[in-house]
Amino acid sequence: AAGVIQSPRHLIKEKRETATLKCYPIPRHDTVYWYQQGPGQDPQFLISFYEKMQSDKGSIPDRFSAQQFSDYHSELNMSSLELGDSALYFCASSFMRQGSPRSGANVLTFGAGSRLTVL
Amino acid sequence: SQQGEEDPQALSIQEGENATMNCSYKTSINNLQWYRQNSGRGLVHLILIRSNEREKHSGRLRVTLDTSKKSSSLLITASRAADTASYFCATGLSGTYKYIFGTGTRLKVLA
Repeated sequence: AAGVIQSPRHLIKEKRETATLKCYPIPRHDTVYWYQQGPGQDPQFLISFYEKMQSDKGSIPDRFSAQQFSDYHSELNMSSLELGDSALYFCASSFMRQGSPRSGANVLTFGAGSRLTVL
Repeated sequence: SQQGEEDPQALSIQEGENATMNCSYKTSINNLQWYRQNSGRGLVHLILIRSNEREKHSGRLRVTLDTSKKSSSLLITASRAADTASYFCATGLSGTYKYIFGTGTRLKVLA
């Protein structure tokens, strides 16, 4: 079965550069989530999209932006990179049950992550 | 953590023993899930319990949820060395699309 595909798997950037991470959700999944996980930390929720519209926002810095495209893939753009942005970035997708999306209970399927190192 | 705290932060047990991890959260939820993560890898879903459920089983896993205490526990019975991983609870916040992860428990099962 197809899983959540993230690219690139590893990325090395200099401070103040920009980086773009891509996520291809499981086919027919309608919701995408982005998480950031620093070394030894829990995954921190950044942002989510439902049916290509931003649905919720977490602790995403203003230097970061994300969008979901018509083919449902999503991109996380990070500008003016700082050393503290070095982390694993996970994308997850899910299928919201029919009815009120906000009352549903859905399982998140995670990608393998993109490891960003900022030097 | 944004929402949940887990305890213990680290747990070391012998193969065959049971492992219990606890998760507490702060806000109203519609469901709670447990995920497993091997070092530096992606998170894998283990089990989901809805806010109107009190207990669920899946294989060697048993999850309880006490919404009055805003807490959950994950029990792994007859642990194996392959169960060595970090375990996170994730709460689905009512009225949102957010899933917030707790701080995680690092489980080490010694052969």
